[in-house]
Amino acid sequence: DAGVTQSPTHLIKTRGQQVTLRCSPKSGHDTVSWYQQALGQGPQFIFQYYEEEERQRGNFPDRFSGHQFPNYSSELNVNALLLGDSALYLCASSYYRASGGGFTDTQYFGPGTRLTVL
Amino acid sequence: AQTVTQSQPEMSVQEAETVTLSCTYDTSESDYYLFWYKQPPSRQMILVIRQEAYKQQNATENRFSVNFQKAAKSFSLKISDSQLGDAAMYFCAYRTNRDDKIIFGKGTRLHILP
Repeated sequence: DAGVTQSPTHLIKTRGQQVTLRCSPKSGHDTVSWYQQALGQGPQFIFQYYEEEERQRGNFPDRFSGHQFPNYSSELNVNALLLGDSALYLCASSYYRASGGGFTDTQYFGPGTRLTVL
Repeated sequence: AQTVTQSQPEMSVQEAETVTLSCTYDTSESDYYLFWYKQPPSRQMILVIRQEAYKQQNATENRFSVNFQKAAKSFSLKISDSQLGDAAMYFCAYRTNRDDKIIFGKGTRLHILP
């Protein structure tokens, strides 16, 4: 059973550039959430995608955008990179029971993408 | 606003001993989940244990157990018989039953002394 996968593992960009990070959810999961983890901090929620739509968003600027594909995989895009965007970006997947019961109680995380902005 | 506070940035414990990591949270919700996640140097965030707020019984997973005090909004993690592989960052986390957004604390780095 494949877990959550993310690519690439590491990425180095310069200020002002744009970056795309990718995530494939755990088999059977249909919801993808993205988190930013700055060095020495806990992860912070960026946004969540379900049914190819952004369902929830944290306190992040519009430079952060995303997409979910019909196969439930997702992309995180960051435009006009700033030095402060350097962080570990984590993807997590879960399953939403549309018939009732809401989200399952566990999110499974991928290994993350380390983004360095120079 | 919902917040999670971990007051111990770092802790150390001798191998085979027991250690307790502290966590407090603030919420006005009555129905929620609490989690402890482990993040080793490999960066993979691994779920250690979870607790549903409506359950009075404390969750246990092998050597890991929690002390959930709902009225005090406290959720500590006890690791028994500490092993070298337990060395990692531990994050306390919270989620309401209404949505899937997880709120994390700043973490406690646990060192295991051989």
